Amino acid sequence: EVQLVESGGGLVQPGGSLRLSCAASGFTFSSYEMNWVRQAPGKGLDWVSYISSSGSTKYYADSVKGRFTISRDNAKNSLYLQMNSLRAEDTAVYYCAREYRSSTSRTFDYWGQGTLVTVSS
Amino acid sequence: QSALTQPASVSGSPGQSITISCTGTSSDVGAYKYVSWYQQHPGKAPKLMIYEVSNRPSGVPDRFSGSKSGNTASLTISGLQAEDEADYYCSSYTSSSTPWVFGGGTKLTVL
Repeated sequence: EVQLVESGGGLVQPGGSLRLSCAASGFTFSSYEMNWVRQAPGKGLDWVSYISSSGSTKYYADSVKGRFTISRDNAKNSLYLQMNSLRAEDTAVYYCAREYRSSTSRTFDYWGQGTLVTVSS
Repeated sequence: QSALTQPASVSGSPGQSITISCTGTSSDVGAYKYVSWYQQHPGKAPKLMIYEVSNRPSGVPDRFSGSKSGNTASLTISGLQAEDEADYYCSSYTSSSTPWVFGGGTKLTVL
């Protein structure tokens, strides 16, 4: 059974840092691209970042570029999001999502349960 | 990258059909088959309901169907059931520097 379990969320002051983790199990983690998607309270889904299966290619939303860093450790079946210079508008539930890709398809087929990040003084 | 446009809310009675639209541009919805739909119940993670415009993952009822015409994708739910009441989001791959974009979400109310 595919499982994605996020951790590391919490309350942080503006300007602070936080590192989120996503522990993967039930599939060959090193074969899949991964993403972070967030959802502010009462708002919609907002794509944050992408990392290729090897970790060599990374993309970021303009709103987090230069402040957030996505990484992965395939030996530990783990995905990470280092968040620096946090702002109030970064307050959200952060989901890790597995990206399924085939010759004809690309989609987020499995999601974690999310971890809440609150940026407030 | 601007979000895809969805109606804020739709409603229907049990047994009826509803359709949710998702309008993008020629750089996202209009350019790729990589349009997906997600269902999200309150306090829960999103669940994939439709991928590649019209394909259903295993376990998703065939009451859920998807289509696309030009820059607009649509999700149709037929034979509405109470458990279908949820938020629905579309997403698309894009040719911009940020590869993915979501719609703003549609709240489905089953009357």
